[in-house]
Amino acid sequence: QVQLQESGPGLVKPSETLSLTCSVSGLSVSEVYFWGWLRQPPGRGLEWLGNIYPSGRSAYNPSLKSRVTFSLDTSKNQFSLKLTSVSAAETAFYYCARGVSAAAFDYWGQGMLVTVSS
Amino acid sequence: QSALTQPASISGSPGQSITISCTGSNSDLGSYNFVSWYQQHPDKAPKLIICDVATRPSGISNRFSGSKSGNTASLTISGLQPEDEADYYCSSYSTDGSYVFGSGTAVAVL
Repeated sequence: QVQLQESGPGLVKPSETLSLTCSVSGLSVSEVYFWGWLRQPPGRGLEWLGNIYPSGRSAYNPSLKSRVTFSLDTSKNQFSLKLTSVSAAETAFYYCARGVSAAAFDYWGQGMLVTVSS
Repeated sequence: QSALTQPASISGSPGQSITISCTGSNSDLGSYNFVSWYQQHPDKAPKLIICDVATRPSGISNRFSGSKSGNTASLTISGLQPEDEADYYCSSYSTDGSYVFGSGTAVAVL
């Protein structure tokens, strides 16, 4: 059974760095598909943050490009997100997911609410 | 502001068919056949129901169908059922390499 699970601090102070990890079971992060991060402010729509590929190459949303970094840890079957200089407007549910085609994610984590507040 | 435009809400009676539109531009829907649709129930993660314009992933009911014409994509739900009541989002690949989403449509089954 395929499962993705986000983990990390649920509260981050403004201007600090948001760090999340996605643990994957039932699939290898080294396989041919790719892995994505998305977010959704409470009560609002979805936003794609970017993808990381089995090669370790990443593609980022241009609106975040200077602040976001993804990494892949094949030994732990995990991938991670770091987003620097966060603001309160970035309070959201953060999801990790598996990508199977452009803009298509078929397996999702349950989502993790990260609140940006002092 | 979302890159793709969807109606805020649509309603229908059980058994009816409804169609949700998703309007973009030449930079996204008009240039690529990478269009996906997601269903999201309250407090749940989104669920992929259509990818690549009209492909249903394994396990998705054939009551869901997708299409595209020009800069507009559509999701049709046939034989509407109570469990179809949810939010629906479209998404597309864009020329800058990003994925853009619609604003979401709340479907009510009356």
